[in-house]
Amino acid sequence: ILNVEQSPQSLHVQEGDSTNFTCSFPSSNFYALHWYRWETAKSPEALFVMTLNGDEKKKGRISATLNTKEGYSYLYIKGSQPEDSATYLCALYRSGGSYIPTFGRGTSLIVHP
Amino acid sequence: DVKVTQSSRYLVKRTGEKVFLECVQDMDHENMFWYRQDPGLGLRLIYFSYDVKMKEKGDIPEGYSVSREKKERFSLILESASTNQTSMYLCASSSSPLLTRYDEQFFGPGTRLTVL
Repeated sequence: ILNVEQSPQSLHVQEGDSTNFTCSFPSSNFYALHWYRWETAKSPEALFVMTLNGDEKKKGRISATLNTKEGYSYLYIKGSQPEDSATYLCALYRSGGSYIPTFGRGTSLIVHP
Repeated sequence: DVKVTQSSRYLVKRTGEKVFLECVQDMDHENMFWYRQDPGLGLRLIYFSYDVKMKEKGDIPEGYSVSREKKERFSLILESASTNQTSMYLCASSSSPLLTRYDEQFFGPGTRLTVL
């Protein structure tokens, strides 16, 4: 069984706080890691696709880093806003014949005004 | 904007019924996917399709079948619904004709299915 772990499971922060959470995965046979944001009652939305060790990607106040050697990716949100409240999912793709992704259980972020 | 729509947001069915969940995408994407999401678990892939009439099993295909007769439409079929198929079902699509793992997926809003 391939374990993709996300921590923490949930997080409450105040508006304006910066925050980060982790996606951990087995480092062997890494191919790609996807981050998604899933707001309540909406569709999951792609944030980043990370492929190379040391990758850093940024979209507005949200950024992500990737360490494939040690098997983790961090997602950072700078100056959290209430509209950032959502569940953040990571999905791991491994090399080899299988196309099937393994999703983590998500980190639920609530930003209080 | 890519739009992926699912036929129902909420659905209640009885054990043993045949259930159809429909998904339509409007951006001419090659690939379509069906996932289910259960409390305490990550999204799990049921089936996917990389071309019309082509399908591949995901992690948990048992109890499900799929149909892709047209490029824009991907149906998930529960031949005889059971209570353990109560779940949130999400459809997604992606564009690359090579079914690359770099390709971001565009999701629909989900169908919450309850089987009584």
